[in-house]
Amino acid sequence: AQSVAQPEDQVNVAEGNPLTVKCTYSVSGNPYLFWYVQYPNRGLQFLLKYITGDNLVKGSYGFEAEFNKSQTSFHLKKPSALVSDSALYFCAVRDKDYGGATNKLIFGTGTLLAVQP
Amino acid sequence: DVKVTQSSRYLVKRTGEKVFLECVQDMDHENMFWYRQDPGLGLRLIYFSYDVKMKEKGDIPEGYSVSREKKERFSLILESASTNQTSMYLCASSSGGMNYGYTFGSGTRLTVV
Repeated sequence: AQSVAQPEDQVNVAEGNPLTVKCTYSVSGNPYLFWYVQYPNRGLQFLLKYITGDNLVKGSYGFEAEFNKSQTSFHLKKPSALVSDSALYFCAVRDKDYGGATNKLIFGTGTLLAVQP
Repeated sequence: DVKVTQSSRYLVKRTGEKVFLECVQDMDHENMFWYRQDPGLGLRLIYFSYDVKMKEKGDIPEGYSVSREKKERFSLILESASTNQTSMYLCASSSGGMNYGYTFGSGTRLTVV
């Protein structure tokens, strides 16, 4: 079975400090991994994805994520947080080796990032 | 850019009403999804469709139905709205490729009174 966990409901960070939002996953095969961001009263927006290749993936708005196969993690990072980064962040996973047209993304429960000025 | 358009941002309906939430995508995506989002519960899949006239139940289909008569349109129907269906509803679409994520609409915040 596929699953994804975001162990922190909320992450607080001061503006200008580095931020990390954690994500761990469980799949039986190889994973496709995604991060989405949701601003208040909006839908989810795509940030970045890991499909194959370099373990460090760069995405929108200066975010990056590191795929770690041994730790089954895909943590989202940013070197210097902005107040405007405050939002809800979702990690998602799909099992690359689970075939079928209806192979769905599995989402975590979300982590609220609060960046204080 | 792919666009997924949900017909209403905010809706207020009365208990017992039949409610239609409409979603349209403009990039010929095969797959479409309806989720509801509630605080502390994340995204929960209600129904999805991988082709015209095809539908599959998600994790919480009770009290809902869907319709996909055309590829670009996926409708969520609340047969008899209840207060526990007050929520944010999100529509998403994706192509059939495995390495593609989802594109989401802006959401419909439904309040049932």
